[in-house]
Amino acid sequence: DAEITQSPRHKITETGRQVTLACHQTWNHNNMFWYRQDLGHGLRLIHYSYGVQDTNKGEVSDGYSVSRSNTEDLPLTLESAASSQTSVYFCASSDGRGDPQETQYFGPGTRLLVL
Amino acid sequence: AQTVTQSQPEMSVQEAETVTLSCTYDTSESNYYLFWYKQPPSRQMILVIRQEAYKQQNATENRFSVNFQKAAKSFSLKISDSQLGDTAMYFCAFMNTGNQFYFGTGTSLTVIP
Repeated sequence: DAEITQSPRHKITETGRQVTLACHQTWNHNNMFWYRQDLGHGLRLIHYSYGVQDTNKGEVSDGYSVSRSNTEDLPLTLESAASSQTSVYFCASSDGRGDPQETQYFGPGTRLLVL
Repeated sequence: AQTVTQSQPEMSVQEAETVTLSCTYDTSESNYYLFWYKQPPSRQMILVIRQEAYKQQNATENRFSVNFQKAAKSFSLKISDSQLGDTAMYFCAFMNTGNQFYFGTGTSLTVIP
């Protein structure tokens, strides 16, 4: 079955280190998204991509970067991890080819702790 | 900018009863989509129901239905015959024509046996 996966599921790192979170989907979806979830804020959009080589900044993009070299993957990189980036990170994807394919499907999440 | 407001941080309901979760949103767009997602303790985000703004008919999915009031910018979720497995965080989400999602802060629902 097609799916969306994230790795690692749990990560502990130190401030200042570079961290990359992986997201992989097998639906051949055009659109991919990264969110962070924090108490009291719901999910907030970090970056998103509408296709290969396309990336866009979301609401809370500072300190994060993404690249889209193929359809299946959208890795999220924290350039220099900060304690404020301790959060749960969700990747999502959607078909992007028109209604009714706009629903976003989420990965299982990655818990990141920055010490 | 779009905003989504869920004014009920926590709610509880007796098993087999009906509960309604509220959601309001603010947008200047006329064409958009609305969603309810469920997040159980496993943290997985699960789609519950979706509504296209151009459709007047309220969406239903088994025990889940919505009351979509476009003029009032309101999108409530009704869960009928509540089950213990419905215990979760519920997020209302708005999607604009640019495929960007905006989420509310969530409502924690507890189903009491």
